[in-house]
Order: sequence, then C-alpha cells, then structure tokens
Amino acid sequence: DAKTTQPNSMESNEEEPVHLPCNHSTISGTDYIHWYRQLPSQGPEYVIHGLTSNVNNRMASLAIAEDRKSSTLILHRATLRDAAVYYCILRDRWNSNYQLIWGAGTKLIIKP
Amino acid sequence: SQTIHQWPATLVQPVGSPLSLECTVEGTSNPNLYWYRQAAGRGLQLLFYSVGIGQISSEVPQNLSASRPQDRQFILSSKKLLLSDSGFYLCAWSPGTGNRKLFFGSGTQLSVL
Repeated sequence: DAKTTQPNSMESNEEEPVHLPCNHSTISGTDYIHWYRQLPSQGPEYVIHGLTSNVNNRMASLAIAEDRKSSTLILHRATLRDAAVYYCILRDRWNSNYQLIWGAGTKLIIKP
Repeated sequence: SQTIHQWPATLVQPVGSPLSLECTVEGTSNPNLYWYRQAAGRGLQLLFYSVGIGQISSEVPQNLSASRPQDRQFILSSKKLLLSDSGFYLCAWSPGTGNRKLFFGSGTQLSVL
C-alpha cells in the first residue's frame, strides 16, 4: 500500500469547520482512502473511507481530488471532543489490513 | 453488535518478567485479529496478525509472541520483558471478508522498568 503525507498538527476553533489534508501522490487505481482518528489514550476509530467520489457520514465528509492524489477530511463543526490524531491511510481493495502503513497522523487541537 | 475487549488498561512490569495481554472479540465469527504497538507520538506498528485459530504471522522480529487459542481470542506474550518493550499495545479485529474496517480495543499502556 502507498504512503500518505499529512501535516503534523493543526489548530481550529470550536464550532468552526476543519479541513484536514492528506497527500497520496502514488495512489493506485484500486486504493481506497481510509480515515481513522485516535482520541488520547484510546484505540483508533474508523471515521470514513472512499474511492473516487466524495463521501458523507454522520461523523465527517471526505473530499477526494479529481486525480485522487489528495483528499481532505472535513469536520463541519468541530467540538472539543474532536481533538484527536487523525490518520489517513490507503488500503488496496485486494489486500488485507495487515499491509496498512500507519503514519504519525495529524494532531488536531481544538481551541474553545 | 460486535465488541472487543482488551485488558489490562495499564501495566507496570520489571525487566525480565513475563507478559500476557489478552484480547477477546464478541459478536462475530472468523475475524482477522491484530496486535499493534504504538510509541509515543508515532503511528501504529503491526506486530502480529492472525486469519484463523493457530495461524499467526509476525511482522517484526522481536521479544514478543502471539497465540490464538480460540476463534475470538488473541494473546500477546513475552517470556522476558525488555525496556524497549514499553509502549501502547492495541488489539484490533476486522471481518475476514467484505467490509475491511478495523475495530480497535482500548489499548494497554505497558511500562517496563
């Protein structure tokens, strides 16, 4: 699976939208883009994933660039509970999770 | 619904002592199971994964071993802990087929002194 690049940290104000970027310039046609987040002292939790089209769920939205070389996780209205480390990961549809490569992610800081 | 249990939450062990961390999954059958380790401020490093009872694959040579005595039980062990074994250990599961989301336990913070 290809690697991703994310900023080490980002800050945002409470109740404002947050856009978390991820670059994956070597993405292949069969790679899904997955996002997980990890709250302090907890295990990561799944947020959202997509292939080509933008995706929405109750937690967030995922905007995927037309060339798929980058994507953005959007939290529409950040709360203090959204403060976490956010991981962007590529998973080939034909490969299993044991081939995932986890980077250091983006630490999101929410200011009240 | 499916749940994953991992214990203990924290553990302090002396160098040279044995280790046993247990993880169990409920509400699913034939899951893929994983043990990860996470150093402070770093991403997750896969240690072991299992696609079935008694089937263990190791990703990184180390002082640790894993076993899967039952379909939904995964155990991480060491005969003699090293200082470098300190870290945050996470158990996870995913469906064997279809949806491949990972579901993580709450983790064990291991300090080897």
